[in-house]
Amino acid sequence: GESVGLHLPTLSVQEGDNSIINCAYSNSASDYFIWYKQESGKGPQFIIDIRSNMDKRQGQRVTVLLNKTVKHLSLQIAATQPGDSAVYFCAEKPTGNQFYFGTGTSLTVIP
Amino acid sequence: NAGVMQNPRHLVRRRGQEARLRCSPMKGHSHVYWYRQLPEEGLKFMVYLQKENIIDESGMPKERFSAEFPKEGPSILRIQQVVRGDSAAYFCASSQHGGYSGNTIYFGEGSWLTVV
Repeated sequence: GESVGLHLPTLSVQEGDNSIINCAYSNSASDYFIWYKQESGKGPQFIIDIRSNMDKRQGQRVTVLLNKTVKHLSLQIAATQPGDSAVYFCAEKPTGNQFYFGTGTSLTVIP
Repeated sequence: NAGVMQNPRHLVRRRGQEARLRCSPMKGHSHVYWYRQLPEEGLKFMVYLQKENIIDESGMPKERFSAEFPKEGPSILRIQQVVRGDSAAYFCASSQHGGYSGNTIYFGEGSWLTVV
């Protein structure tokens, strides 16, 4: 089966610092990736996506980096705020209809 | 624009009862996906449907679970004769287009099933 894993299950950062959440994926055929944010008791919320023909994509305060050579994905959050505290999932999409999700990284922002 | 709507948000069933979870996709979306999430775990794909068709049910348990997406009305995930191991959050997602690369899926707020 597919394997999407995260290097760090928990991450604590000071408010205002930058956060980096990492993700390793296993299927070199995956060509589309999404980062989701999930707050307690809620559904996953789309943050940012990237296709495999790109290595970097920026959104509002977030940047996703893709390194296909080592099959690594990262999410960078600039000037982390308390509202960023949540579990973050990366998802990869190889061929077919499924997205494969990792187990998530819990981000805690310390005021 | 309404997002993906799921109901009920919370459902309690006794062992052996049936659970029905409903999902209305985002406006303009005709593709629906169901995922299951156990506590402290990621999302596991269950089934992908278009209107009146099951496209991929490779993640569905072979017994007791079924899904449909009729021409009219919401998609339904049905769990018969529930057992305690079915307790989980069930998320529905929808997309405008089918399962090709670059097709973003958007999630609902989930239905939390508790089997007692």
